[in-house]
Amino acid sequence: GPKVLQIPSHQIIDMGQMVTLNCDPVSNHLYFYWYKQILGQQMEFLVNFYNGKVMEKSKLFKDQFSVERPDGSYFTLKIQPTALEDSAVYFCASSLDPRDTLYFGAGTRLSVL
Amino acid sequence: QQQVRQSPQSLTVWEGETAILNCSYENSAFDYFPWYQQFPGEGPALLISILSVSDKKEDGRFTIFFNKREKKLSLHIADSQPGDSATYFCAAQLPGTGSNRLTFGKGTKFSLIP
Repeated sequence: GPKVLQIPSHQIIDMGQMVTLNCDPVSNHLYFYWYKQILGQQMEFLVNFYNGKVMEKSKLFKDQFSVERPDGSYFTLKIQPTALEDSAVYFCASSLDPRDTLYFGAGTRLSVL
Repeated sequence: QQQVRQSPQSLTVWEGETAILNCSYENSAFDYFPWYQQFPGEGPALLISILSVSDKKEDGRFTIFFNKREKKLSLHIADSQPGDSATYFCAAQLPGTGSNRLTFGKGTKFSLIP
């Protein structure tokens, strides 16, 4: 089936540094999402992105977070600066329509030391 | 307050048995409930889903039973197979939104007795 690729699978950084998580969504999809999962907790919606703009974001999407997809390349989540509480698995997802099936990547495990 | 709750946290059954995974929710406005299946090292993948206007949805060995009044649903896995071992997430979505914002439960880790 359709695949969403996330790079890297694991990232370790020091608190205060910047990190960029990369996502290669399904090729013809138009809506892109990030979800965050802290160990042992449920996956939580962060943000969705369409046509170059953030459509909706949750309270977890702090000011230090930003998303973009320049010229149809990777859909990225940037955190600058990082904090200890940003340690989690971040899942990227994409869909063709807003109410269509979400396809998830395998996640990027972010460890902030 | 957790909007979507799942039980049990983990479930182990014998091969061939029927497994029942439970889910309940707080917001009566939720109208769409997908179940996602996740294998280790992979992302969650849609398994089966139901709209709140239905009380049952079947797809092969997987069946969702939905009780709108009690705000509960369950996923039944009939004739459990080793390949069914995975974590199952119940999720919920509000109607009429322009985004695919899902509210997830914590998941049930399902495995078969070897």
